[in-house]
Amino acid sequence: KAGVTQTPRYLIKTRGQQVTLSCSPISGHRSVSWYQQTPGQGLQFLFEYFSETQRNKGNFPGRFSGRQFSNSRSEMNVSTLELGDSALYLCASSVVDSNTEAFFGQGTRLTVV
Amino acid sequence: QQQVKQSPQSLIVQKGGISIINCAYENTAFDYFPWYQQFPGKGPALLIAIRPDVSEKKEGRFTISFNKSAKQFSLHIMDSQPGDSATYFCAASSYGGSQGNLIFGKGTKLSVKP
Repeated sequence: KAGVTQTPRYLIKTRGQQVTLSCSPISGHRSVSWYQQTPGQGLQFLFEYFSETQRNKGNFPGRFSGRQFSNSRSEMNVSTLELGDSALYLCASSVVDSNTEAFFGQGTRLTVV
Repeated sequence: QQQVKQSPQSLIVQKGGISIINCAYENTAFDYFPWYQQFPGKGPALLIAIRPDVSEKKEGRFTISFNKSAKQFSLHIMDSQPGDSATYFCAASSYGGSQGNLIFGKGTKLSVKP
């Protein structure tokens, strides 16, 4: 069974640009959550999608958005990039929600210059 | 507000020793407590998890001890090996409501010396 796949693995963007990250969950998993990981703040929850609906949202500005497609694949978008957005962005998939086993992808390393 | 506090921040253990990482939580609605292991350049991998209806869960060399009244839980790694050197995160979540996501501790960097 394939794991959670995130693309791309690495990205370098310039301040002010926007970026779209992609996540393909494990087959059969309907919940996709996104987390931001930085050395200073650790792992912080961005948002969760289930059946194409955002079910839960963390404390991030509106520049961070996401969506989920009918095949459970998810994308997150960050607009007007800031230097502080440099981080590892992780996607996790679960059968129902993070209260059950959540499996993480390898992440997308975003560097904003 | 940090809802899950993890300690220590770093830990050095000799090969064959016991590694102990502790976490404390505040929200009594939490009912799922997983531990994740993360190697450099990789995403976190689920190691072991516990729910509050049991006080201990063991899987191989890894054991979670859970103290509901103290709102604390810990990870014990028995016979620690150099291959266990990684960063460990405790986490917590509650079913449904607005806390369906995982709340993570800050992580513990474990180094197992040969």
